[in-house]
Amino acid sequence: NAGVTQTPKFRILKIGQSMTLQCTQDMNHNYMYWYRQDPGMGLKLIYYSVGAGITDKGEVPNGYNVSRSTTEDFPLRLELAAPSQTSVYFCASRVNGVEGTQYFGPGTRLLVL
Amino acid sequence: GQNIDQPTEMTATEGAIVQINCTYQTSGFNGLFWYQQHAGEAPTFLSYNVLDGLEEKGRFSSFLSRSKGYSYLLLKELQMKDSASYLCAVRDPHNQGGKLIFGQGTELSVKP
Repeated sequence: NAGVTQTPKFRILKIGQSMTLQCTQDMNHNYMYWYRQDPGMGLKLIYYSVGAGITDKGEVPNGYNVSRSTTEDFPLRLELAAPSQTSVYFCASRVNGVEGTQYFGPGTRLLVL
Repeated sequence: GQNIDQPTEMTATEGAIVQINCTYQTSGFNGLFWYQQHAGEAPTFLSYNVLDGLEEKGRFSSFLSRSKGYSYLLLKELQMKDSASYLCAVRDPHNQGGKLIFGQGTELSVKP
């Protein structure tokens, strides 16, 4: 198993540009999450999904969109990039079951100039 | 609302023991997680507590007291590679997605 994979690893965007951050997991996990982490801060939840076709907002959803057409993929879309979206983005998936530990992808570092 | 507090940073000596505390105020409780995050890397899972008491995993142990809203992570026989950020997270019991609420993390520096 590759676990949770993310692409790209690093990206520079100009203000107003759009991009999609890709996230894929091969563990057949139902739950998937997108977080952002700003320097010296904890993780803030952007969006999450409890299964294909079902998504919901987290704590900081403004400026982002998601979709979940398959169990494996959970892309995050930035429509009009702003400097405030400069951050490191982590995708995670959760083990099915009561304990439900979340496992994280390697992250995408995004710089908006 | 949910609030999780951890010390911002700690320093310890190689070979010693260090305890990282986490307190939480939440409207419910459905499990507490500890993650380790090295600089520039993803968080990796360390431990999970849902019942009161101590969970031991090699050099790492985690303790939970639900009545006090308190947990700690204990690291024994510290090694230089233990220098990292340690994140405490509580699972939101009112959320069907099982989302985690994270503290800001404790930056641990291990000195020779």
